Amino acid sequence: GDSVTQMEGPVTLSEEAFLTINCTYTATGYPSLFWYVQYPGEGLQLLLKATKADDKGSNKGFEATYRKETTSFHLEKGSVQVSDSAVYFCALSYSANFGNEKLTFGTGTRLTIIP
Amino acid sequence: DADVTQTPRNRITKTGKRIMLECSQTKGHDRMYWYRQDPGLGLRLIYYSFDVKDINKGEISDGYSVSRQAQAKFSLSLESAIPNQTALYFCATSGQTFTDTQYFGPGTRLTVL
Repeated sequence: GDSVTQMEGPVTLSEEAFLTINCTYTATGYPSLFWYVQYPGEGLQLLLKATKADDKGSNKGFEATYRKETTSFHLEKGSVQVSDSAVYFCALSYSANFGNEKLTFGTGTRLTIIP
Repeated sequence: DADVTQTPRNRITKTGKRIMLECSQTKGHDRMYWYRQDPGLGLRLIYYSFDVKDINKGEISDGYSVSRQAQAKFSLSLESAIPNQTALYFCATSGQTFTDTQYFGPGTRLTVL
C-alpha cells in the first residue's frame, strides 16, 4: 500500500541553521505531496504542496521539490528561526481520477530551534 | 473565528462510557474527516464524509461511529470507550478532492482511564 517515511526526530538546530527533513514515499500511482506543520497546542495546517513531478512547493521560506525519480519530497529552509519549532508531517494523496482517495501521513518530525 | 472548531478540547472518561466528540466548520466544505494522533504513529484516518449522505470508514474505524448532522457538523462517538482509545483526535474539512488543502481543528485530547 501507499506509505510515507520521514526522518525520525527529534531534530534540534541552532537559529539560522540550514534545515532538511527527509521524506520518501511509496505509491502505486502519481500522488500529490504535502507538508503540514503542527505548532504546539494547535491542529495541523498546510505548509506547502506539489501536485506533479518536478513541481516545487514553497511557503514561509520553506521549499520542497517533488522528485519522482527518487520518490522524495524533502523539506528545506535556509535559515531557521525559533518560531519554526513545531512538528512537521509529510503526506501524500491521490487525485480522484485514480479512484484512491486517502491522505496518508508520515509519523511526523519534531523540530526544535534553540536561540 | 476559527474555521474548524472541536468540543470538548479535553476529556477524561472511564472505560465503558459513551463519548461524543463534536466538530463544526465554517468553510462551507462538503468533505469532513476524523483522525487520531498517537505518538510515533502520525495521524490515522478514522472516518470521512464526502457529504451529508456519504460516510466512509477509514483505516481504524473499529470501536468508533460517526454522524453527519449537517454540512457543517460531523460528530465522532466512542460507544464504549477503552484505554487504548486515549489519543488526540482531530477533525478536518476540505474541498472536493483529497488533493485539496485540509483544514484542521485544534484537537480534542481524550483520556480513557
